[in-house]
Parts: sequence; C-alpha cells; structure tokens
Amino acid sequence: AQSVTQPDIHITVSEGASLELRCNYSYGATPYLFWYVQSPGQGLQLLLKYFSGDTLVQGIKGFEAEFKRSQSSFNLRKPSVHWSDAAEYFCAVGGGPTFGRGTSLIVHP
Amino acid sequence: KAGVTQTPRYLIKTRGQQVTLSCSPISGHRSVSWYQQTPGQGLQFLFEYFSETQRNKGNFPGRFSGRQFSNSRSEMNVSTLELGDSALYLCASSRGLDEQYFGPGTRLTVT
Repeated sequence: AQSVTQPDIHITVSEGASLELRCNYSYGATPYLFWYVQSPGQGLQLLLKYFSGDTLVQGIKGFEAEFKRSQSSFNLRKPSVHWSDAAEYFCAVGGGPTFGRGTSLIVHP
Repeated sequence: KAGVTQTPRYLIKTRGQQVTLSCSPISGHRSVSWYQQTPGQGLQFLFEYFSETQRNKGNFPGRFSGRQFSNSRSEMNVSTLELGDSALYLCASSRGLDEQYFGPGTRLTVT
C-alpha cells in the first residue's frame, strides 16, 4: 500500500531564511509525487508535481522539490521564505493520491 | 476557467440528521474525489468517482456515500450524523490520474 510520511509537524523559520520540508513515501512503482499548500480556511493548491524525467522539479511561488528514488524522498525547498508562505504543506503520492499529515510552516518576521 | 466549486461553504447540523454536499468540477474534468479533513486525522480520502462510477473508496463507514452525475457534478451524502463527522469536506477534480484541483471546502459542524 502507498503511504506518505512528513516527519515534521511544525517548522519555524525566519523570513528570508531557506526552507526544506521533508517527505518520504512508500510506493510500489515509479510514483506520481505532489506538493500542495493550504492556507487557513482554503482548499489545497498544487505547488509542483513529479511524474518522470528530471528529478529536480520547479513549481510555483519559487518552490522546488527533488525526487530521490534511493531515499524514497521528495523534499520541498525554497531558498528565501516570505511571510506569505506561512501555511500547511502536504506531500502526496500516487494516482489517488495519498496525502501526508502535513507540515505547518510558521514564518517569523 | 472556473475552479472547483463546493456548496454550501458552511453547514450546521444536529446529530442524527443527514446532509448532502455538492461539488462542481472544473469543466472537462471527469474525476471527482472527496476528502475529509480534521485536526486529529488529517486529510483522509473518502471516495473517487470517474464517469459516474465509483473508482476508489477509502475506509469510511457506509453512512458516507456519493454519486456523480453525467455532467461530472458530484454529491456526497452523510446519513445519521455523528459529532465526529464535524470536519472540512474537500472536493477535488482532475482529468484522470494527474494532479487534482481542490475546491474551498464545506465546513460541516455537527452539534
């Protein structure tokens, strides 16, 4: 069965600092991988996706993620965080898909 | 292109009642999925419909049911509401197995 683990429930960073959100997955084949963001009271918005090809994927809002098959990981990164990036971030795998529990990003001014 | 719409946005019901939530997908999308989101359990998959057929189902009791119409609009029904059904119910549409586009959700409160 497919599964996703986001080991960090909360992450706090200062505005302007770099960010990395971790995601590990379990999937029987080459996975479809996604990162979504959810602002308070809103639905989820797709940040980026990986289906195949280049393992470094660029998304919206300056985010990128790297697929590492050997580590079963798909970590999300951003070089410089803005206060507006404070939100809940979800990693997902598969065609269904299956979502992780989410990581809450807190940004200090 | 209009996004996914969900109605109503907020709903308050009493235990034992039933509720129907509606979702209109993005034009051209034939897949509609439903999720329940709670602080304790996170985002949980309820079911997916594709071309009016239920294609996948999550681990929820039979009180939760859904259907999809020929125009791809979908409804979700919860019967005999329990306090634990209070949640944000999210609908997402897609063309098939690619990325999903989410609606703003329906906030259901059961008292």
